[in-house]
Amino acid sequence: AIQMTQSPSSLSASVGDRVTITCRASQDIRNDLGWHQQKPGKAPKLLIYAASSLQSGVPSRFSGSGSGTDFTLTISSLQPEDFATYYCLQDYDYPRTFGQGTEVEIK
Amino acid sequence: EVQLLESGGGLVQPGGSLRLSCAASGFTFSSYAMSWVRQAPGKGLEWLSTISGSGGSTFSADSVKGRFTISRDNSKNALFLQMNSLRAEDTAVFYCAKDKGDSGYYPIDSWGQGTLVTVSS
Repeated sequence: AIQMTQSPSSLSASVGDRVTITCRASQDIRNDLGWHQQKPGKAPKLLIYAASSLQSGVPSRFSGSGSGTDFTLTISSLQPEDFATYYCLQDYDYPRTFGQGTEVEIK
Repeated sequence: EVQLLESGGGLVQPGGSLRLSCAASGFTFSSYAMSWVRQAPGKGLEWLSTISGSGGSTFSADSVKGRFTISRDNSKNALFLQMNSLRAEDTAVFYCAKDKGDSGYYPIDSWGQGTLVTVSS
């Protein structure tokens, strides 16, 4: 199975900060990677698919980049509603695998 | 608007069975693959199973292969997960999710609100 390693596992940031989360795949997955946001007690929500495509309705402060094995989710200016846990998910091959998550907390 | 509504969760004894359902609306159900994903208390997300739009192809995680079976009824816009031989470690919130395409090789783009399954005596 393809392993997805996310870093950091948690981070503290302030409103307005630029935040970067990375995800590394154990093998080449082309650009078959999505980023999902989950707030406490809520269902996940797709932010980015195909590594860099913004899902409809998602604010443009979210962006994704990367291909092959290394991927990045960037929040250009952190907003109060962005404090959540973020997961990467590879859909290149089965079994689909998630990263372990990155919790973004308020500093 | 895509809506996915899971049901069927609850308390079940170890070794027991449960059937989860997901009622879909707001899109042409048969044109999209569907998945089940779970989240144990305080833990991350774990993909379990995906079924193609036609139902002709299924994919399952090794952790549930032989115990959990994904199926769908396109005439009723419904997705199912039959869970047998349940264990305490299967305790989780179970989410149904919709893919962007029909084959099972597209990303997940929508999620239901989840249903809690508790396996305990």
